[in-house]
Amino acid sequence: GALVYQYPRRTICKSGTSMRMECQAVGFQATSVAWYRQSPQKTFELIALSTVNSAIKYEQNFTQEKFPISHPNLSFSSMTVLNAYLEDRGLYLCGARGGQNSDYTFGSGTRLLVI
Amino acid sequence: GDSVTQTEGQVALSEEDFLTIHCNYSASGYPTLFWYVQYPGEGPQLLFRASRDKEKGSSRGFEATYDKGTTSFHLRKASVQESDSAVYYCALSRSTGGNNKLTFGQGTVLSVIP
Repeated sequence: GALVYQYPRRTICKSGTSMRMECQAVGFQATSVAWYRQSPQKTFELIALSTVNSAIKYEQNFTQEKFPISHPNLSFSSMTVLNAYLEDRGLYLCGARGGQNSDYTFGSGTRLLVI
Repeated sequence: GDSVTQTEGQVALSEEDFLTIHCNYSASGYPTLFWYVQYPGEGPQLLFRASRDKEKGSSRGFEATYDKGTTSFHLRKASVQESDSAVYYCALSRSTGGNNKLTFGQGTVLSVIP
């Protein structure tokens, strides 16, 4: 079956530092990868959508300068949170799918704590 | 822009009670509608989807019917179990320029008391 692994599961970083999180698709080719942030209130915010052979599209309030994303092949994506501050805390979820007619499969997320 | 509204933020039920979680959406055209479930420490898992008016999606005893007239996709289950305790999300997807992004509702925390 289609699985998505995210690592690390949990990370703590000091305010002003950066951290990188990774997303691995297993059992299918991830032609699209969506990165979300889930706030403590449980709402999902889409950060950006990366589709093979297309530019990465960032949502309003999120920028490449703050959340650079790499999607180098059909099984892997990474995102870095640069210069993290308290408001960047949350669960970062990676969802991947194999094509326009496929559903997104989500990983378990990377929980970011900023101190 | 597209949006999804879930009326109930939290629902507390006893085992074997009937469940309804209300979901209304706002989007042009014919979005695909989804219900996801999220257990503690995990990402959201797809329960089921529906793509056209009057289509019913179902899984594990849960069901919802796409109603374009009322722009709704309410989740129902006839008899809940303690193991159904989780957070439920209604979502929609609409193809724009070849990209399909998922827009989630705010989520409903379901607690089932044995």
